[in-house]
Amino acid sequence: DQQVKQNSPSLSVQEGRISILNCDYTNSMFDYFLWYKKYPAEGPTFLISISSIKDKNEDGRFTVFLNKSAKHLSLHIVPSQPGDSAVYFCAVKPGVIQGAQKLVFGQGTRLTINP
Amino acid sequence: DAGVIQSPRHEVTEMGQEVTLRCKPISGHNSLFWYRQTMMRGLELLIYFNNNVPIDDSGMPEDRFSAKMPNASFSTLKIQPSEPRDSAVYFCASRRSPNQPQHFGDGTRLSIL
Repeated sequence: DQQVKQNSPSLSVQEGRISILNCDYTNSMFDYFLWYKKYPAEGPTFLISISSIKDKNEDGRFTVFLNKSAKHLSLHIVPSQPGDSAVYFCAVKPGVIQGAQKLVFGQGTRLTINP
Repeated sequence: DAGVIQSPRHEVTEMGQEVTLRCKPISGHNSLFWYRQTMMRGLELLIYFNNNVPIDDSGMPEDRFSAKMPNASFSTLKIQPSEPRDSAVYFCASRRSPNQPQHFGDGTRLSIL
């Protein structure tokens, strides 16, 4: 039973355009959401996060949107650059009440930025 | 700052052998996580420690897997005996506090023949 789903295994975007990566989750008790980026032969690298009390967080070219009613998270990258080509994972952290400090990861979306 | 350091980067061994993966977390981080990444199951948490104490090992697949954290700067994940289905990339991550993101090492690619 997947608690976090990234339904698009891959995405191809033209350089300079906007990349939109999506993530759906099942449990309304999740309270903290993150995006990680992963290059081949490296570990995931933290990119940006958002807590459940917000609906948007921006950091440079990266913006994360949270729609709690739809249980949907998205990452916008604009403008997209060739160096953004990587696998992107969304991750969620269950609330403290559930006694968990661990992250649950989606399956990842491979983003390719075409020159 | 040195990141999370894992060794070895690659390990190839025969079925039945004991395998030990090592991790040095970032200094000052008091939580450590072991993950396994496979094509079928993605990135899944095996076990995590807070202040060197195992908190949740519900992700450890079976008794062949064990993890220890004898001190704040070192952890091991051991598989004994190893099986071909254990082949995967194993990541270690550490975190300073619950409200901080986890920082990952570059992983150990394990192949069991």
